[in-house]
Amino acid sequence: GAGVSQSPSNKVTEKGKDVELRCDPISGHTALYWYRQSLGQGLEFLIYFQGNSAPDKSGLPSDRFSAERTGGSVSTLTIQRTQQEDSAVYLCASSRFGLAGGGETQYFGPGTRLLVL
Amino acid sequence: SQQGEEDPQALSIQEGENATMNCSYKTSINNLQWYRQNSGRGLVHLILIRSNEREKHSGRLRVTLDTSKKSSSLLITASRAADTASYFCATDELRKAAGNKLTFGGGTRVLVKP
Repeated sequence: GAGVSQSPSNKVTEKGKDVELRCDPISGHTALYWYRQSLGQGLEFLIYFQGNSAPDKSGLPSDRFSAERTGGSVSTLTIQRTQQEDSAVYLCASSRFGLAGGGETQYFGPGTRLLVL
Repeated sequence: SQQGEEDPQALSIQEGENATMNCSYKTSINNLQWYRQNSGRGLVHLILIRSNEREKHSGRLRVTLDTSKKSSSLLITASRAADTASYFCATDELRKAAGNKLTFGGGTRVLVKP
């Protein structure tokens, strides 16, 4: 079946502009995660959605970052007033249940490479 | 912030040799997973080991976990050129509210030369 898809694959934007990154998880997966991978910080957790529960936003680096998950499926990560340090690969993943205690495989999308000039 | 440290940061071996990489982490965990990443894009799950397990095998992969030392190792036997990739360990913390959030190590870049 189809895996996790992300769009766009690459995004170049100017400092100060807003960007939206999209993630389509595997159909039926309850949990959805956003991570960021950059040279300086490695792979960092950003936000986690599980069913209808309030999202875990503990990894968002500033209030310029926000994410939505509509209808329990597609998610959009929005970065407002982008800065050069936001340049990174943004990875989305989904898992079947998102159980407390973990132990599930997370299936990753190919990522969106964001470059802020 | 990253939970884990991985070593070595980079590893270069000949095809057919074994590759061993290590991961250390800081907090108590439920599970530890290893992922592979090709060309800086999406990660692929390799193997999961639970905190009450000490060793696990999957094909040419062998993972060990020592919770007393907060460390894990990944061994790839009889390596192939296609194993060239970056390898990351990832942990989920032993906290009720943590859900399935993963914390990744810094990764080991493995180059397998034909």
